[in-house]
Amino acid sequence: EDQVTQSPEALRLQEGESSSLNCSYTVSGLRGLFWYRQDPGKGPEFLFTLYSAGEEKEKERLKATLTKKESFLHITAPKPEDSATYLCAVQALGSGNTGKLIFGQGTTLQVKP
Amino acid sequence: NAGVTQTPKFQVLKTGQSMTLQCAQDMNHNSMYWYRQDPGMGLRLIYYSASEGTTDKGEVPNGYNVSRLNKREFSLRLESAAPSQTSVYFCASSAKGGNYGYTFGSGTRLTVV
Repeated sequence: EDQVTQSPEALRLQEGESSSLNCSYTVSGLRGLFWYRQDPGKGPEFLFTLYSAGEEKEKERLKATLTKKESFLHITAPKPEDSATYLCAVQALGSGNTGKLIFGQGTTLQVKP
Repeated sequence: NAGVTQTPKFQVLKTGQSMTLQCAQDMNHNSMYWYRQDPGMGLRLIYYSASEGTTDKGEVPNGYNVSRLNKREFSLRLESAAPSQTSVYFCASSAKGGNYGYTFGSGTRLTVV
């Protein structure tokens, strides 16, 4: 069964304190791995897509990496405005052209000034 | 530049009542999706439409029906609401295959009493 597990569930950081969020996945062939950011009361916002092991993508203070079993979202010198829930999702090869995604439960990040 | 528009934003229903959640996108996307989000459960797929004229069940379809009215619009209907359907509902759309990620609406918070 295809599955996505994110850890930790919640993370509190001081402003400037770098850390990483983990996304472990089990899927019968990976078509793509996606990271989203979700602010309270809003819909998720697309951040990155990763397709193959070794791939990395960056956006401001965020950097996403991918291995064959997991992905990391590294946050460098976070600011309070980085506080949000970060969602990881995978698309399996077997999903064809449906675009179906399987989501993890998310990691809620709080950055204190 | 509206993206994905969902209506209503909030709704309270009594057990047994029916309602339709509306979703429209203006990005010329082929695929549309309905997810529900519950605490600790992540986003779970209810129904999806890979292209105009097709709809398929997702992970949790029981108690719901959908209609892909045209390329822009994808509605979700609750025929006889139950308290277990209290949730936040998100509509999303993607280009064919979903490789470039979803665009989500802002959600409908539904309470069934």
